[in-house]
Amino acid sequence: GIQVEQSPPDLILQEGANSTLRCNFSDSVNNLQWFHQNPWGQLINLFYIPSGTKQNGRLSATTVATERYSLLYISSSQTTDSGVYFCAVENYGGATNKLIFGTGTLLAVQP
Amino acid sequence: EPEVTQTPSHQVTQMGQEVILRCVPISNHLYFYWYRQILGQKVEFLVSFYNNEISEKSEIFDDQFSVERPDGSNFTLKIRSTKLEDSAMYFCASSDTSGGVYNEQFFGPGTRLTVL
Repeated sequence: GIQVEQSPPDLILQEGANSTLRCNFSDSVNNLQWFHQNPWGQLINLFYIPSGTKQNGRLSATTVATERYSLLYISSSQTTDSGVYFCAVENYGGATNKLIFGTGTLLAVQP
Repeated sequence: EPEVTQTPSHQVTQMGQEVILRCVPISNHLYFYWYRQILGQKVEFLVSFYNNEISEKSEIFDDQFSVERPDGSNFTLKIRSTKLEDSAMYFCASSDTSGGVYNEQFFGPGTRLTVL
């Protein structure tokens, strides 16, 4: 099946710094989503981005489907950005629309 | 804004007991899913459900698991005889994938299941 790898696995930032999280996938995808898992365990939808670029406030994402990767940019990070960031993909031609999750990037933003 | 809801938020049960986790998907969505996340691990697909039947299930989804849409709004996951290794966060999700258009999946807040 499709493999989803995220890097880096862990990241420590000072408040105000910028960061880039990467998601590589091994096959063509119909769907790609970025999530933020907060300290309470909830999965917060950040972006639905099978291709192209989107921005939402301090966050933006770019997916280059032909090269099988996606990037999540966090600018001017805040302590509330801390948590785990997951990339999840839906394999093109799959039987259903199930999402395959990466292993996540654990982000800690220090004041 | 419409959202997926799940109840209960936390469930503690004894090994061997049956549990039912409940979800209310977004009202106009057609596809429903259950995922689980063991503490410290990634989120894993369990099952997808469309048109009142299972459309795909993972290896995790064995005979101890079942899903049901008992009415027009609820979507449930039943674990018949819980095991210690069933302890996890269970997420329900829904999407409006129709007409060949692939759409975003929306996740509920999760039910944290602890099996003692």
